[in-house]
Amino acid sequence: DTGVSQDPRHKITKRGQNVTFRCDPISEHNRLYWYRQTLGQGPEFLTYFQNEAQLEKSRLLSDRFSAERPKGSFSTLEIQRTEQGDSAMYLCASSFSRGGTEAFFGQGTRLTVV
Amino acid sequence: QQQVKQSPQSLIVQKGGIPIINCAYENTAFDYFPWYQQFPGKGPALLIAIRPDVSEKKEGRFTISFNKSAKQFSLHIMDSQPGDSATYFCAASRYSSASKIIFGSGTRLSIRP
Repeated sequence: DTGVSQDPRHKITKRGQNVTFRCDPISEHNRLYWYRQTLGQGPEFLTYFQNEAQLEKSRLLSDRFSAERPKGSFSTLEIQRTEQGDSAMYLCASSFSRGGTEAFFGQGTRLTVV
Repeated sequence: QQQVKQSPQSLIVQKGGIPIINCAYENTAFDYFPWYQQFPGKGPALLIAIRPDVSEKKEGRFTISFNKSAKQFSLHIMDSQPGDSATYFCAASRYSSASKIIFGSGTRLSIRP
């Protein structure tokens, strides 16, 4: 499978715990994006990387959220001290950096905070 | 701030009908307008996209109509099939920078047999 891969697919955690998600992009892609999608809404942009550099962060990305992309390959998204409002689908996408290029999305990690 | 407004929220059409989904954007810096299709449990997948230098683009049964002066665009699905039942998102971004995509809130489309 050469698509975008996300792990885990589902995560249930207790409020206050830390969680980390992983995204493996399509190998040739230098751009990697994180989005959050709540039920009945469109994906909301969180952050994106070009290679290992984090180029933009949304105001939605509070201090409890951190994303990394060491060596410009896979990326991790960590949420510290989870809150019930963090429950959502976290989507990863990757693309080339040239204009108009298609962004390919993974199947997402569904987080439930109880 | 909702930069891309999408309507309707849900739509039910008989097989063979032509569902139409409408979107409006605010930021004139946007110059790339993709539509994504999402099935339950899957990530969004690119369906068709348009740039504002053309007023219409067709790919198979899917057509985008674009009105630059009104800052509006719409998706038409010709000869709709039950397999087209999914959630559709319009979106906008800046073509040259291949930066973040701003999504609409989605339209849940159901095609009745």
